[in-house]
Amino acid sequence: EDQVTQSPEALRLQEGESSSLNCSYTVSGLRGLFWYRQDPGKGPEFLFTLYSAGEEKEKERLKATLTKKESFLHITAPKPEDSATYLCAVRFPFLQAGTALIFGKGTTLSVSS
Amino acid sequence: DSGVTQTPKHLITATGQRVTLRCSPRSGDLSVYWYQQSLDQGLQFLIQYYNGEERAKGNILERFSAQQFPDLHSELNLSSLELGDSALYFCASSDTSNYGYTFGSGTRLTVV
Repeated sequence: EDQVTQSPEALRLQEGESSSLNCSYTVSGLRGLFWYRQDPGKGPEFLFTLYSAGEEKEKERLKATLTKKESFLHITAPKPEDSATYLCAVRFPFLQAGTALIFGKGTTLSVSS
Repeated sequence: DSGVTQTPKHLITATGQRVTLRCSPRSGDLSVYWYQQSLDQGLQFLIQYYNGEERAKGNILERFSAQQFPDLHSELNLSSLELGDSALYFCASSDTSNYGYTFGSGTRLTVV
């Protein structure tokens, strides 16, 4: 069973059309939820870390929020340069996972002008 | 430049062969993580090393192994390669607080 699920898999937006990406996780007691941006053929680039329900972080047109079971990445008035795959990852309190991040499969965002 | 260096950037090899991927973590980071990314599976955690010792294992095949050296660089060894091993392999590092995880630019492995 997937521990981290992202939806939708793909999202097409017009420039300026705001929307939200979802990341849900099935295990309680997570020790951090991370958002990354990944461009094709490149390594993931860190965006945000959230630790507790109710927490919010903002960076330019992106805003991340966290509840007890899910996180949202809100994109306000997106531009074509926001086109990328957005990855959600969580750090679980499992000893066998060490401190590794467990990733969802990502949402591929395409913004057209 | 993220500070995490991976070499080589591209690698093409034949089935049955063995390759070694190298990673130098960001200065001061003691933890190194290896991930495999394929189109259908997303980013899969393989293995973590912390200050030279294995800390955690994920979905790593028995044909794969890794180590972290005293200078903290890490190597991922892939042997008896199969077509399905073709993927992007990423290394990431983190500091002791584990608040930040920085990824390298990856090694693209193609098995033919």
